[in-house]
Amino acid sequence: KNEVEQSPQNLTAQEGEFITINCSYSVGISALHWLQQHPGGGIVSLFMLSSGKKKHGRLIATINIQEKHSSLHITASHPRDSAVYICAVERGSQGNLIFGKGTKLSVKP
Amino acid sequence: NAGVTQTPKFRILKIGQSMTLQCTQDMNHNYMYWYRQDPGMGLKLIYYSVGAGITDKGEVPNGYNVSRSTTEDFPLRLELAAPSQTSVYFCASSVRTGENNEQFFGPGTRLTVL
Repeated sequence: KNEVEQSPQNLTAQEGEFITINCSYSVGISALHWLQQHPGGGIVSLFMLSSGKKKHGRLIATINIQEKHSSLHITASHPRDSAVYICAVERGSQGNLIFGKGTKLSVKP
Repeated sequence: NAGVTQTPKFRILKIGQSMTLQCTQDMNHNYMYWYRQDPGMGLKLIYYSVGAGITDKGEVPNGYNVSRSTTEDFPLRLELAAPSQTSVYFCASSVRTGENNEQFFGPGTRLTVL
């Protein structure tokens, strides 16, 4: 069993829909990261959080440490949100990341 | 700032050949990482460095070597390329101060070993 599991693997939505991507992990962590991988391959960091909730524009990330679960929400989705969203957990003294396999999101106009 | 740059973007190697993937960052970050990304799999850590002169193995180091002679550069060396090393390689860096461990990624190198 992978230490970081994401669901769903693939997600298709209509423009304007509210989207939720889930991440569950089975190990103790110091922080959790959400990243976005563009269709061209580039990877950018969206959020790093260790508790509670963070918001940036239409993106919201939440984490529940007790339940070992995080969610990434996208409000009013747009075709430009189409990408792979990756959850990664940070652990160990060096804070190295363990990555999930990603959720491929496609938003149709 | 250019951020994290990687060269080459694409490369095809024959089995047994060697090559170096270059990675440079201009953000004065202390931490640098090399990852590989295989289809349908999460990124895997190959090697990382916490500063110039210090490197350590990650999850999948076999078949690779690294060096960190300067803060800016973190090259990854493949000595005897094998088909199992066909992958997309990403270099990343982070400043890692306090609670800040945001990682900045290079554009990737797509390597095929035939």
